[in-house]
Amino acid sequence: AQSVTQLGSHVSVSEGALVLLRCNYSSSVPPYLFWYVQYPNQGLQLLLKYTTGATLVKGINGFEAEFKKSETSFHLTKPSAHMSDAAEYFCAVSDQSRDDKIIFGKGTRLHILP
Amino acid sequence: NAGVTQTPKFQVLKTGQSMTLQCAQDMNHNSMYWYRQDPGMGLRLIYYSASEGTTDKGEVPNGYNVSRLNKREFSLRLESAAPSQTSVYFCASRGRGRGTYEQYFGPGTRLTVT
Repeated sequence: AQSVTQLGSHVSVSEGALVLLRCNYSSSVPPYLFWYVQYPNQGLQLLLKYTTGATLVKGINGFEAEFKKSETSFHLTKPSAHMSDAAEYFCAVSDQSRDDKIIFGKGTRLHILP
Repeated sequence: NAGVTQTPKFQVLKTGQSMTLQCAQDMNHNSMYWYRQDPGMGLRLIYYSASEGTTDKGEVPNGYNVSRLNKREFSLRLESAAPSQTSVYFCASRGRGRGTYEQYFGPGTRLTVT
């Protein structure tokens, strides 16, 4: 069965500092991996995804993530935090089987300090 | 092209009442999903439908039923609402094929059961 663990339910960084949000997954077959962002009182929107190929993927708003199979990780980073990055971030996994299930982590709320 | 739409946006029910949450997508996607979002719990999958005519249980199906009415529509029914079902409900859809791995989310339905 697939699962996702996001370390840290709340992360605070100063404006201009590095953002690092951690995600580890388990999957018995090659995974598809996703990061979504949710702003207050809104739905989820896709930040970036890993399917196959290049393990470093770039997304919107300057975010990127690296798929590390040996560590079963897909951490999200951004070199310089902006106040507008304050939101909740979700990591999700699905696999490349016929099962179309997608499982989400519990989310990490990112706080940006002025 | 509206994407994924959900109705209603808000609903208040008394314990024991029933209601149906409606979801529709206009992207010709095969797969559709219902999630609930609760503070600190992330998104939990209630039911999903990998194709028209099929439905499968997710992580938290108890107390819910679903209907995949056609390719566009996927409804979620609460037969006898309980306070534990107070939550924000999100519908999502997902295509299949090259490059279409991610889900698209609706704006959510905020349900309160008193």
